[in-house]
Amino acid sequence: AQSVTQPDIHITVSEGASLELRCNYSYGATPYLFWYVQSPGQGLQLLLKYFSGDTLVQGIKGFEAEFKRSQSSFNLRKPSVHWSDAAEYFCAVGGGTSYGKLTFGQGTILTVHP
Amino acid sequence: NAGVTQTPKFQVLKTGQSMTLQCAQDMNHNSMYWYRQDPGMGLRLIYYSASEGTTDKGEVPNGYNVSRLNKREFSLRLESAAPSQTSVYFCASPSPPATGELFFGEGSRLTVL
Repeated sequence: AQSVTQPDIHITVSEGASLELRCNYSYGATPYLFWYVQSPGQGLQLLLKYFSGDTLVQGIKGFEAEFKRSQSSFNLRKPSVHWSDAAEYFCAVGGGTSYGKLTFGQGTILTVHP
Repeated sequence: NAGVTQTPKFQVLKTGQSMTLQCAQDMNHNSMYWYRQDPGMGLRLIYYSASEGTTDKGEVPNGYNVSRLNKREFSLRLESAAPSQTSVYFCASPSPPATGELFFGEGSRLTVL
């Protein structure tokens, strides 16, 4: 069975600091990996995705993530956090043609201090 | 272009009452999905419809029924609501395989007393 673990429930950073959100997955085949962001009271928005090819993927809002097959990880990074990045972040894994059947991690809440 | 629209946005029910959550997408996608979101548990798939006329169970289908009314609409019904069904419900529709992105509605917050 596929699963996703986000070890950090809550992370606090100062504005301008770098950020890394961790994601570990378990999947029996080649994974399709996603990071979504959710602002309070809103639906989820796709930040970036990995299907194949270059293991470092760029997304919106200056985010990037690196797929490491040997570590079963897909960590999200941003060099300099802005106050507007405060939100909840979800890592998800899926595969094949069932793109909507994603397994989500528990989420990481990001707080940004001025 | 509204994308995915859910109604209602908020609902309070008493235990044993029934209700239907409505979802409509205007992107001409084949697939539609219902997820529930609970604190500390991420999103879990309740039911999905890969195409018009088909529905399948997801991870947590107990207590729910669905109807794929047409290509645009996919409803989720709670026949006899229980407090354990207090949650935020999201309808989503994936883009064609070329991108694989899930488009989410804004969510429906349901409280069962």
